[in-house]
Amino acid sequence: DVKVTQSSRYLVKRTGEKVFLECVQDMDHENMFWYRQDPGLGLRLIYFSYDVKMKEKGDIPEGYSVSREKKERFSLILESASTNQTSMYLCASSEETGGTFFGQGTRLTVV
Amino acid sequence: GQQLNQSPQSMFIQEGEDVSMNCTSSSIFNTWLWYKQDPGEGPVLLIALYKAGELTSNGRLTAQFGITRKDSFLNISASIPSDVGIYFCAGQRQTSYDKVIFGPGTSLSVIP
Repeated sequence: DVKVTQSSRYLVKRTGEKVFLECVQDMDHENMFWYRQDPGLGLRLIYFSYDVKMKEKGDIPEGYSVSREKKERFSLILESASTNQTSMYLCASSEETGGTFFGQGTRLTVV
Repeated sequence: GQQLNQSPQSMFIQEGEDVSMNCTSSSIFNTWLWYKQDPGEGPVLLIALYKAGELTSNGRLTAQFGITRKDSFLNISASIPSDVGIYFCAGQRQTSYDKVIFGPGTSLSVIP
């Protein structure tokens, strides 16, 4: 079974802090994604990566950056956390032909 | 941009009833995916469809890839309380580099 693991289930951070959300997948997938999910807004793509050291902006990249130094690991970075970044963050990876698999999610609260 | 529409937005059904929901798009997709999300968890892939007209089952779940490639349907037979959650459809035009587009979800509540 595909496993996508996010390092934290719940995080509380202060405004202005630098925040790292880590994600690891164990299926040698090329593609990895970071989404945020908010009530009424659905899943919104922040960044994605289709290869090591490659990254592409998604629909809402402002305030975020990413790092893909190894194929299995994709990190989301909030350079200076703000309260409007309080959300559920979902990491995902996908295989060549369909099937995007999600981690369990990180619920981030910025106070 | 591309959008997917899901209907109904929410459903309240009695345990044991069958459920039908659908997903439509103005664009053609090559792959349709159906996910279920429990509260506080990430979405879990239920069924993946790769060919127009394809009908695939996973236990009590059956999904179909519409002939026009612009829609897909998910049916749940004999619903049980653990079917509660949000069901998302997702479409993908190409493979590999193309982004997956997600629908807004159908919220399912099952009354015991």
